[in-house]
Amino acid sequence: AQSVTQLGSHVSVSEGALVLLRCNYSSSVPPYLFWYVQYPNQGLQLLLKYTSAATLVKGINGFEAEFKKSETSFHLTKPSAHMSDAAEYFCAVSGFSGSARQLTFGSGTQLTVLP
Amino acid sequence: GAGVSQSPSNKVTEKGKDVELRCDPISGHTALYWYRQSLGQGLEFLIYFQGNSAPDKSGLPSDRFSAERTGGSVSTLTIQRTQQEDSAVYLCASSAPGSYEQYFGPGTRLTVT
Repeated sequence: AQSVTQLGSHVSVSEGALVLLRCNYSSSVPPYLFWYVQYPNQGLQLLLKYTSAATLVKGINGFEAEFKKSETSFHLTKPSAHMSDAAEYFCAVSGFSGSARQLTFGSGTQLTVLP
Repeated sequence: GAGVSQSPSNKVTEKGKDVELRCDPISGHTALYWYRQSLGQGLEFLIYFQGNSAPDKSGLPSDRFSAERTGGSVSTLTIQRTQQEDSAVYLCASSAPGSYEQYFGPGTRLTVT
């Protein structure tokens, strides 16, 4: 069984400040991990993914995440927040074959960027 | 190229009515997923289609929910005898052969009154 925990349902940062959104996972097999972003009234957009290659993964819009197996974490960071980053962010885990490829999502973190 | 499309974008129905939600995946994508997003339950997996294989229906919440995929492309999610707790955004996603990346459509917002 797989699960994801996102710490902090709401995070506020000032424009230009570091963004850190936390994600911890539980998986009985080596996981594939994803971060998605959702803007109001839109679907989910893939930010980045970890699929057992490099542990530091770079994504779109300046975001990156580091897979740390010892901590079972996959935290999302961005050095400098922009107003356009305000959205809801979801961490997700999937297995690697067949129906296990369905995504199991965390509960989401709403990011607010303050001017 | 075109992304995943879903229709309708919004659907309001009366309790007890049946509804059909449609998903057009990205051309060439063999895997198709349905998820539900609701305030109380977050994002939940509903059903998974892979090519011509039998679908994985393990996420369907009740026998009022069913889905089909015709010709390995378009999918329809049907909810019979809708209940107020079915109110949610229904998201469809597809992925290419051998890929783990799922591309999501904009969703259908279902409101049951």
